[in-house]
Amino acid sequence: GAVVSQHPSRVICKSGTSVKIECRSLDFQATTMFWYRQFPKQSLMLMATSNEGSKATYEQGVEKDKFLINHASLTLSTLTVTSAHPEDSSFYICSAREQVSGGPSNEQYFGPGTRLTVT
Amino acid sequence: QKEVEQNSGPLSVPEGAIASLNCTYSDRGSQSFFWYRQYSGKSPELIMSIYSNGDKEDGRFTAQLNKASQYVSLLIRDSQPSDSATYLCAVNILFFRRALTFGSGTRLQVQP
Repeated sequence: GAVVSQHPSRVICKSGTSVKIECRSLDFQATTMFWYRQFPKQSLMLMATSNEGSKATYEQGVEKDKFLINHASLTLSTLTVTSAHPEDSSFYICSAREQVSGGPSNEQYFGPGTRLTVT
Repeated sequence: QKEVEQNSGPLSVPEGAIASLNCTYSDRGSQSFFWYRQYSGKSPELIMSIYSNGDKEDGRFTAQLNKASQYVSLLIRDSQPSDSATYLCAVNILFFRRALTFGSGTRLQVQP
């Protein structure tokens, strides 16, 4: 399957600071990337859909000014958690949908995730 | 009603047995269906995709889809302890246009 990377894999930051997480599709072009959050023992929660060259679409209840998403190229999307607080501590996972001739693939491939701890 | 429903488990099977994981979905317009495996502390890994009614086999895994019953299942033959994980059912409701909708997952435990 296609490979998606995320960086960093783990980050600890102080309350009030901002953290940037990068998501890259390594061997394919991704027209669409998705950002999820997962709290312990809970299911994946979609935060936003990121389309290359346009503004991200946020799910209900997700603050767009707090979770800034940029999808500047077909292989890179970034999520910036601004003014992080302890309740933002979670496992953040991106996924990407491959662009193939005739339209985007329907399969989503996940990055390895970023574990954020806000102290 | 949740859009994608799974029994949370845990489903416990002995090593070598067949594990059967089930999933139902609410939207009849759903187009494509996926099974992901997620180990504790890791991100989901795509195992199978299925788009049309019937069975699809890949090694020890078989996905089954019944659109009339709005039901999709995953069979794991010759279960191994390394198969112990949470299995997520995912459905794409609007083809190409939306993120997958995930069930809450079924935890599988394969007893050695």
